[in-house]
Amino acid sequence: IQLTQSPSSLSASVGDRVTITCRASQGINSYLAWYQQKPGKAPQLLIYAASTLQSGVPSRFSGSGSGTDFTLTISSLQPEDFATYYCQQLNSYPLTFGGGTKVEIK
Amino acid sequence: EVQLVESGGGLVQPGRSLRLSCAASGFNFGDYPMSWVRQVPGKGLEWVGFIRSKTHGGTTEYAASVKGRFTISRDDSKSIAYLQMNSLTTDDTAVYYCARDRTIFGVIIGYMVVWGKGTTVIVS
Repeated sequence: IQLTQSPSSLSASVGDRVTITCRASQGINSYLAWYQQKPGKAPQLLIYAASTLQSGVPSRFSGSGSGTDFTLTISSLQPEDFATYYCQQLNSYPLTFGGGTKVEIK
Repeated sequence: EVQLVESGGGLVQPGRSLRLSCAASGFNFGDYPMSWVRQVPGKGLEWVGFIRSKTHGGTTEYAASVKGRFTISRDDSKSIAYLQMNSLTTDDTAVYYCARDRTIFGVIIGYMVVWGKGTTVIVS
């Protein structure tokens, strides 16, 4: 299953609402995760099961979608949110990641 | 503190083998599925594979790119997961992360909530 993220990069300002989309090449139910990765660091799980916030993750992050179309929303971008975001499907093997979306400072 | 520490990376010639280790601490290692994910510097994440807990059979799944060459195993008595990599090619050059699943329940595996810092493998 291929996951296509868009955009591949974006520039935004602190306080902006940011939306990243992830489209699956076939239906994956709600078996989708979102990760955040900062340079030189391991990824961090933000959202699992498409819309469930991982413990300890700020509530400004939210996920939605099912089937083939999913979104990650950051309601009010904070300085520490500038990073690369990846979606991942767990519906079938092999597990796959999207290509990533780099969120940069405008 | 829940922690994963990878080791064993380094420079290796094409066609040779390498074994990576992932030492776990701070949790009951044997209860959890364990995964390996790699990343070419500057590129995206690639899932390598995982091993289920012994409770769920201790079986493995792999990405097509490594199937037949890489083997994931675990030693629950030592709280270590391994990634045995054979017939390495330059395409295997990457940072390799091990990761622990979010829950011990083995129905949906791959929500990775604890990650190591990674170990670098260079095939050249």
